[in-house]
Amino acid sequence: ETGVTQTPRHLVMGMTNKKSLKCEQHLGHNAMYWYKQSAKKPLELMFVYSLEERVENNSVPSRFSPECPNSSHLFLHLHTLQPEDSALYLCASSQERGGSYNEQFFGPGTRLTVL
Amino acid sequence: AQKVTQAQTEISVVEKEDVTLDCVYETRDTTYYLFWYKQPPSGELVFLIRRNSFDEQNEISGRYSWNFQKSTSSFNFTITASQVVDSAVYFCALTRYSSASKIIFGSGTRLSIRP
Repeated sequence: ETGVTQTPRHLVMGMTNKKSLKCEQHLGHNAMYWYKQSAKKPLELMFVYSLEERVENNSVPSRFSPECPNSSHLFLHLHTLQPEDSALYLCASSQERGGSYNEQFFGPGTRLTVL
Repeated sequence: AQKVTQAQTEISVVEKEDVTLDCVYETRDTTYYLFWYKQPPSGELVFLIRRNSFDEQNEISGRYSWNFQKSTSSFNFTITASQVVDSAVYFCALTRYSSASKIIFGSGTRLSIRP
């Protein structure tokens, strides 16, 4: 595997389900990100992890819960979602050097549909 | 406040035509980075270029070229002799030098290249 991988690629879930999105980066980076991309809206940064510590939570509802067990893996745990949460969820990684965050490399995304 | 504006929502040109995608940004920072990403139908954002605010030199990479002008706060992207494979959504982005959480994406320009 190379680059950034995400599983599953597609997910359909009911509002009462619990599911998790997985992201893995094979680039040796030390920062990872979750983004939400809804139709006709700009990319929204949700969470940032640097050196496995969460450095930013951009007012994301608590029904989204991130987890970063190590620098290569990032999860997004989902529970009691709403239909408006349907979107493409993108994971990215980058190399942080001395506080400077370099270009981010993205995974293919998980297309989430909440019924 | 930081802001990225891509005024062109959609552009359609015939193959082999040149096309320029506009990007205008707002920031009060003196040090920042600008990026362009390509998102093909597969969904994965592909990094194209990063430009440091101190480097106003234009860059050319094959059929791609970028024109960075601080005086007009613009970072435009030109594709020369466009090809059908260039069809995608293109995003311009801005980030503070030392803050991954402050990356701001434009709303994107959907480029369609007709054969």
